[in-house]
Amino acid sequence: DMKVTQMPRYLIKRMGENVLLECGQDMSHETMYWYRQDPGLGLQLIYISYDVDSNSEGDIPKGYRVSRKKREHFSLILDSAKTNQTSVYFCASSPGGEVFFGKGTRLTVV
Amino acid sequence: GDKVKQSPSALSLQEGTNSALRCNFSIAATTVQWFLQNPRGSLINLFYLVPGTKENGRLKSAFDSKESYSTLHIRDAQLEDSGTYFCAAGNYAQGLTFGLGTRVSVFP
Repeated sequence: DMKVTQMPRYLIKRMGENVLLECGQDMSHETMYWYRQDPGLGLQLIYISYDVDSNSEGDIPKGYRVSRKKREHFSLILDSAKTNQTSVYFCASSPGGEVFFGKGTRLTVV
Repeated sequence: GDKVKQSPSALSLQEGTNSALRCNFSIAATTVQWFLQNPRGSLINLFYLVPGTKENGRLKSAFDSKESYSTLHIRDAQLEDSGTYFCAAGNYAQGLTFGLGTRVSVFP
């Protein structure tokens, strides 16, 4: 059963704090993604990773960076979080065709 | 939402009726996926399409790459079909571009 795991599921941070969102998949998928979902804007692509240390900006990378040191883990980092980064963040992975999503992390920056 | 446009934006269906959702896109897409976002926020994979048609139970979907659109048909709507349906076009290498969704409400 395809499974993409996101931790934590809910997070509240103060403005200016650093945030680490973690994502794991146990299917050895090469390609992984980070999206954010906001009301009225749908899901927007932040970063793509094609494999370990092979990452590419998506449509809205500003304010984010990523890290992929192992194929099964892909992290999203917010250095000095801003209130406009309050959102639901989805991680996804693909074996080279269909894309599968995790359950999301709801981040609130206050 | 500009590159992938979904219609209608919202739909109210009586149980047992049929309906169709449409997705038009202005990007080069080799695949289309349809998802259902349930009330808890999880994205459930419904269809993964290369050009052609697929059917799964009461759902049927088609992807026409030449005309750049996809459709999702719901037959004999049930209460559990309620949620927001998202169309996403693109390919795994460049990522999927999502539409803004169609909110479906099924009532008895």
